[in-house]
Amino acid sequence: GAVVSQHPSRVICKSGTSVKIECRSLDFQATTMFWYRQFPKKSLMLMATSNEGSKATYEQGVEKDKFLINHASLTLSTLTVTSAHPEDSSFYICSARDLGTSGSDEQFFGPGTRLTVL
Amino acid sequence: RKEVEQDPGPFNVPEGATVAFNCTYSNSASQSFFWYRQDCRKEPKLLMSVYSSGNEDGRFTAQLNRASQYISLLIRDSKLSDSATYLCVVNTTSGTYKYIFGTGTRLKVLA
Repeated sequence: GAVVSQHPSRVICKSGTSVKIECRSLDFQATTMFWYRQFPKKSLMLMATSNEGSKATYEQGVEKDKFLINHASLTLSTLTVTSAHPEDSSFYICSARDLGTSGSDEQFFGPGTRLTVL
Repeated sequence: RKEVEQDPGPFNVPEGATVAFNCTYSNSASQSFFWYRQDCRKEPKLLMSVYSSGNEDGRFTAQLNRASQYISLLIRDSKLSDSATYLCVVNTTSGTYKYIFGTGTRLKVLA
């Protein structure tokens, strides 16, 4: 199956700093990538849909100025958590859809980034 | 009402048991359905897609009932390695394409 990578896998930062997370599709091109957040013992919540070459589509309740998304190429999307606070501590997971796979609705997930804000 | 609902469990079953998980969804326009497995502190991994006619993959059987808006997953002959959280996922393309995840059902298979 298609491979999606994320970097970093884990980050610990001080309150007020910004953190950038990268999501890459390694062996396919992804015009659309998705960013999710997962709190402990909770399910994945879609934060935004990242569209290559255009603005991201944010889900209701997600602050676009706090969670900056850039999808500059067909293989890379970045999520920047700006002015991070302890309540932003979470597991952030990206996924991508391989449109090259005919008829497939499957999303391929990155390994996730665990963010801890002190 | 949540868009995708699951019993959170946990389901504690002995090795070799058969266990069934259920999931209901609220949007009748939903088009694709999946079961994902998630291990602790890991990303979700696709277990199987769910087709209208029902489908089987080894010890796993998935069923879809569109009329009742209900999806099920049956695991036969449970193994210790089946212990994980099972996520019901519904893909809705009305408006924009996106996955909606259920809260997940925790399974623990006991020796």
